[in-house]
Amino acid sequence: KAGVTQTPRYLIKTRGQQVTLSCSPISGHRSVSWYQQTPGQGLQFLFEYFSETQRNKGNFPGRFSGRQFSNSRSEMNVSTLELGDSALYLCASSAPGSETQYFGPGTRLLVL
Amino acid sequence: GQNIDQPTEMTATEGAIVQINCTYQTSGFNGLFWYQQHAGEAPTFLSYNVLDGLEEKGRFSSFLSRSKGYSYLLLKELQMKDSASYLCAVREGSSGSARQLTFGSGTQLTVLP
Repeated sequence: KAGVTQTPRYLIKTRGQQVTLSCSPISGHRSVSWYQQTPGQGLQFLFEYFSETQRNKGNFPGRFSGRQFSNSRSEMNVSTLELGDSALYLCASSAPGSETQYFGPGTRLLVL
Repeated sequence: GQNIDQPTEMTATEGAIVQINCTYQTSGFNGLFWYQQHAGEAPTFLSYNVLDGLEEKGRFSSFLSRSKGYSYLLLKELQMKDSASYLCAVREGSSGSARQLTFGSGTQLTVLP
């Protein structure tokens, strides 16, 4: 089975712009979670989607949003980018009935 | 909320055994995970404990004590490729509910020849 895929892998944006990141989960996985990883804060939970519904949301401002499609693919959007949004954004998927999350390679976002 | 503590750095020698500890405080524990992350790469799943005891998987073992809020990851027969960051993560909530993981800051393990 193919693993979790994320596109794009690298992205450079400037302050004030918006960005959309994409995640395709492992085939058959319906839960998709998003995390932000920075050297200072480590890995922090953004949100989780299951069957096109947001099931849980971390402590991030409303500029961070996401959605999930009927094929379980997910996107996250960050509007009005700030320098502090520079990070590795990781997506993870889980199979039904499984607690284990499998991570994709991440999208490295640099905000200038 | 949760508080997860693990050592920042550890160093060990090739062929040796190393134990990475993790302590946590949580209001609704529902599982503890260990992930390995090499520099510039995504975390990869190592182990999952939800009941007390030891889970062994090849060179890696993970232990959990829920009453003590304590887990450790044991790496045997260390290899150079084991140099990586090891992340302890705790899940709160009931089975089937949201899968939010709270991660520790990670332990950077360096294996020396």
